[in-house]
Amino acid sequence: QSALTQPASVSGSPGQSITISCTGISSDIGSYNLVSWFQQYPGKAPKLLIYDVTKRPSGVSNRFSGSKSGNTASLTISGLQAEDEVDYYCCSYAGGSALVFGGGTKVTVL
Amino acid sequence: QVQLVESGGGVVQPGGSLRLSCAASGFSLSTHGMHWVRQAPGKGLEWVAVIFYDGTNKYYGDSVKGRFTISRDDSKNTVYMQMNSLRVEDTAVYHCARDPLPYSTGWYVDFWGQGTLVTVSS
Repeated sequence: QSALTQPASVSGSPGQSITISCTGISSDIGSYNLVSWFQQYPGKAPKLLIYDVTKRPSGVSNRFSGSKSGNTASLTISGLQAEDEVDYYCCSYAGGSALVFGGGTKVTVL
Repeated sequence: QVQLVESGGGVVQPGGSLRLSCAASGFSLSTHGMHWVRQAPGKGLEWVAVIFYDGTNKYYGDSVKGRFTISRDDSKNTVYMQMNSLRVEDTAVYHCARDPLPYSTGWYVDFWGQGTLVTVSS
């Protein structure tokens, strides 16, 4: 159950699109379409943004989208806004009835 | 609305024990799997354990296997985490979270509680 690899930080200007990568291995991201993404404000509980790689829960902005290629999943935030400047985490089913999270990415809006 | 409220955190010495509770409301707990996820101060999220909706299957992260036990009492709408042989590295905010698929598991979580802080220190 090794943690998924995310960049520590990603930045972009308001209105731009940014992409956060989440790299796993063939036995987790590479084997299952069970990747989810969360947004977390300081001191708050995480909020679900994406599940099953590409699906968006009701109420989540369509500025957030997910994708996957091989062992890497990605979260794209389009039309970047100041309120997007928080932490983001990926999560995947790891096989063996376990979940694994990424180390988290801090988004900075320039 | 779905609400999850954790309690039971506190300060404990290394080697000690603690039991966390997660009170659920706004949905039928008995039809959903439940997870515990922790976050050490200033660090990322770490999955701790899951209990399936019927309580028959329980799985744990490698770092807590053999020391932590997840359980549920649907009559009390509560999920528990018994933590034994605590280590300094177990210091974290512990969140409970719901698997959204009833009578199944989607291997993701939707609603989270705010968490309860466990500090292991001598």
